[in-house]
Amino acid sequence: GENVEQHPSTLSVQEGDSAVIKCTYSDSASNYFPWYKQELGKGPQLIIDIRSNVGEKKDQRIAVTLNKTAKHFSLHITETQPEDSAVYFCAASPPGQNFVFGPGTRLSVLP
Amino acid sequence: GAGVSQSPSNKVTEKGKDVELRCDPISGHTALYWYRQSLGQGLEFLIYFQGNSAPDKSGLPSDRFSAERTGGSVSTLTIQRTQQEDSAVYLCASSFSGRGDTEAFFGQGTRLTVV
Repeated sequence: GENVEQHPSTLSVQEGDSAVIKCTYSDSASNYFPWYKQELGKGPQLIIDIRSNVGEKKDQRIAVTLNKTAKHFSLHITETQPEDSAVYFCAASPPGQNFVFGPGTRLSVLP
Repeated sequence: GAGVSQSPSNKVTEKGKDVELRCDPISGHTALYWYRQSLGQGLEFLIYFQGNSAPDKSGLPSDRFSAERTGGSVSTLTIQRTQQEDSAVYLCASSFSGRGDTEAFFGQGTRLTVV
């Protein structure tokens, strides 16, 4: 079955700097890759997703890149702000199967 | 409602008691998932419902765990004879269509503490 690894497990950046979180997946059939943000005491919320037919997607300060050959995808956050501090989860899903989540990255944006 | 609703938000129970956790998905969403999140950990898949199909129970950790979904809407996760290792946040999510191919909307979770 699908297996998703995520690095780093914790990340601290200065406000205004960029943050990058990387995930790898094992099943080459996976075709949907969402990223979720979980704030303390809340459920995860989708922040951006990408499908296997595109290599990059951007939404304001957030971007995701996908390398299907290498089976990895990354989340890029630019101009980080304190409210970006949260736990971020990547996920991958093969067609017709459940999401498999990575173990999460705790991002701290230092003022 | 506007989002996925879970109740109760917190539950403290004594070891050995049974508990029921409720999930109200977004209206019109055919897919419903239950996940478990232990403190500081990732999301552990428990069970998946899709329309009237038989549920995928492959993630349930033991036969003390069961879930049902009535009328294709509300779902209840039941844990019998609770153990301390069951303490976790139980998250429910729903999505408009099939398994793993569209955004899943999560509820706030139920924090279960077994004492």
